[in-house]
Order: sequence, then C-alpha cells, then structure tokens
Amino acid sequence: DGGITQSPKYLFRKEGQNVTLSCEQNLNHDAMYWYRQDPGQGLRLIYYSQIVNDFQKGDIAEGYSVSREKKESFPLTVTSAQKNPTAFYLCASSIGTYYEQYFGPGTRLTVT
Amino acid sequence: QKEVEQNSGPLSVPEGAIASLNCTYSDRGSQSFFWYRQYSGKSPELIMFIYSNGDKEDGRFTAQLNKASQYVSLLIRDSQPSDSATYLCAAGVTGGGNKLTFGTGTQLKVEL
Repeated sequence: DGGITQSPKYLFRKEGQNVTLSCEQNLNHDAMYWYRQDPGQGLRLIYYSQIVNDFQKGDIAEGYSVSREKKESFPLTVTSAQKNPTAFYLCASSIGTYYEQYFGPGTRLTVT
Repeated sequence: QKEVEQNSGPLSVPEGAIASLNCTYSDRGSQSFFWYRQYSGKSPELIMFIYSNGDKEDGRFTAQLNKASQYVSLLIRDSQPSDSATYLCAAGVTGGGNKLTFGTGTQLKVEL
C-alpha cells in the first residue's frame, strides 16, 4: 500500500524537551512538507523540501528543525525554543512542484 | 501576506440538497487551487484540484474557478450525512515552489 505514515499518533512531552516527529512516504514523491494546525486556524507551513538534502523555511519555522537525508523520510524536530508547541502536526508530500499535496494521518503533540 | 478567505459556517443543508462552499484568494498570481475535506480529529483529504477557469467535475463534486474574480467554489450534489466535515480551500503561492496558503475552513453539516 502506498501512502504517508506519521508516528506516533499522540505524543506527550514536558516543556524544555526536544521531540522528533516521524514522516515516511512510499509514494516516490520528491516534495515533502510539514504543517501545524491549531484550533480555528488554517494550516501553517513550517518547512518544506523539494529534493533530498535540501529544504526551505516556511512561514513559521522558528523553533523547528528538519532533515531530508532520504527521499522517503522528512523528520521534524520540535525544539525547546518553540514557544507554543502543542498542536496537530501534519506531514504532506507531492510528486513535484505545483502538484497536489497528500497528507499523512498527523501527530497530535501535547507539551505540558 | 497572501490570504485565502472562507466563511467558517456552519453551513447546514438537508440530505440530498446541493451544498455550495466558497473561497476567495488575494494572490492574483495563484495558478493552482485545492479543496480538502477534514473530518474532526483527522487529517485533510484531497477532494478536488483545479488549475483552469471554469468547472471541473468528479462524481458528486464540482470545483469552479473564476480567476478574474479570484473566487473558487466547491459544489457537492446529493449531499449525504457522511459529507459533514470541514472543507479547506488552498491556493498555490506565486513563485512559492508549491507552497500553499490554506483558508480556515467551512464546516458543513448535512441534516437528515
């Protein structure tokens, strides 16, 4: 089955800890994206990558970091510098630039 | 800041009726437009995408694009209770390498 997987589904962390969210796709898509969704707000782009070993900041990159060492994988680290990390995090991929994006199931992160 | 505007709703329609969801965008250079359906607690699911002025039909769904008026709509014919969800409109960012700007979504309720 082709698709995008995110793990874990729910994640709980204490304030001050870094946490890494996993995103894997077996669709052979070149581009991958990370969004966060907060209640009552639209999806906001954190980082995106159009090819392996390259990525760009989105609209709200502060306090986050990513890597793209493999085409299939685009992990997101939420650092302790992120002031409001509690959110629903969504990973997406697309076959290439200007094509439609498909979303994974999401990771709901709660930081207390 | 480029924006995508949607009425938050809820939009209530009786079962079997046509649901009309609307979206306006501010980036006049946007070339690609997407509609996603999001059930409560789940990730967005791609419903339709449209790149050219006019109508695009897929089953019970029709996307309509009017670039002159910067307006995108989604029609759902023969609405079913299972269509009850939040519908997100997204527009491609000019020169943004497939970056999308999302609206905050319209909640649709299909009543028996």
